[in-house]
Amino acid sequence: GAGVSQTPSNKVTEKGKYVELRCDPISGHTALYWYRQSLGQGPEFLIYFQGTGAADDSGLPNDRFFAVRPEGSVSTLKIQRTERGDSAVYLCASSLDTKNIQYFGAGTRLSVL
Amino acid sequence: DQQVKQNSPSLSVQEGRISILNCDYTNSMFDYFLWYKKYPAEGPTFLISISSIKDKNEDGRFTVFLNKSAKHLSLHIVPSQPGDSAVYFCAASVGGSEKLVFGKGMKLTVNP
Repeated sequence: GAGVSQTPSNKVTEKGKYVELRCDPISGHTALYWYRQSLGQGPEFLIYFQGTGAADDSGLPNDRFFAVRPEGSVSTLKIQRTERGDSAVYLCASSLDTKNIQYFGAGTRLSVL
Repeated sequence: DQQVKQNSPSLSVQEGRISILNCDYTNSMFDYFLWYKKYPAEGPTFLISISSIKDKNEDGRFTVFLNKSAKHLSLHIVPSQPGDSAVYFCAASVGGSEKLVFGKGMKLTVNP
């Protein structure tokens, strides 16, 4: 049981392709967060959900990035027309509620060739 | 513009000694600060936090100090153990905002 589960652990794709990254939060956690960590940097906030709705998507870099959480549990981060600059580790975190400690998954390492 | 800065990329200490990890921030609106530890191929793990209404928080071998006037916080690990070897991230948030702003991290190596 579990911790935050992210799949796949590694994803290699070609420039221009579409990818989906999945996050299974800790059971019962209502808040879910996506971060991106580029090489040599700390995690950078992308979006967070409270329940099914995106409460703050101010970190999404552009409209190629989109995330959903239709049933308030599993979330999918979707990236269209991938670019080489999208290569990074995408981290998901969840918390029991907002204002609580965020628990991170191991991340998905995305490589865009 | 880095709002949370960890200016030293690495630190090496001897087992049993104190490790001091430093973090500076520029946004005076930050009111909650956290330290995360990260091992290779794992996600960051929460270590300790401090609210801006305090200047010190202690949990076992880990103590975080906050100096609001200097916009500086530090993590002290005493005594350091080889299992503490990891990358440590300082993070901050503004009350009412759920997004954490992270520093670049610092690699701590504790030598046996």
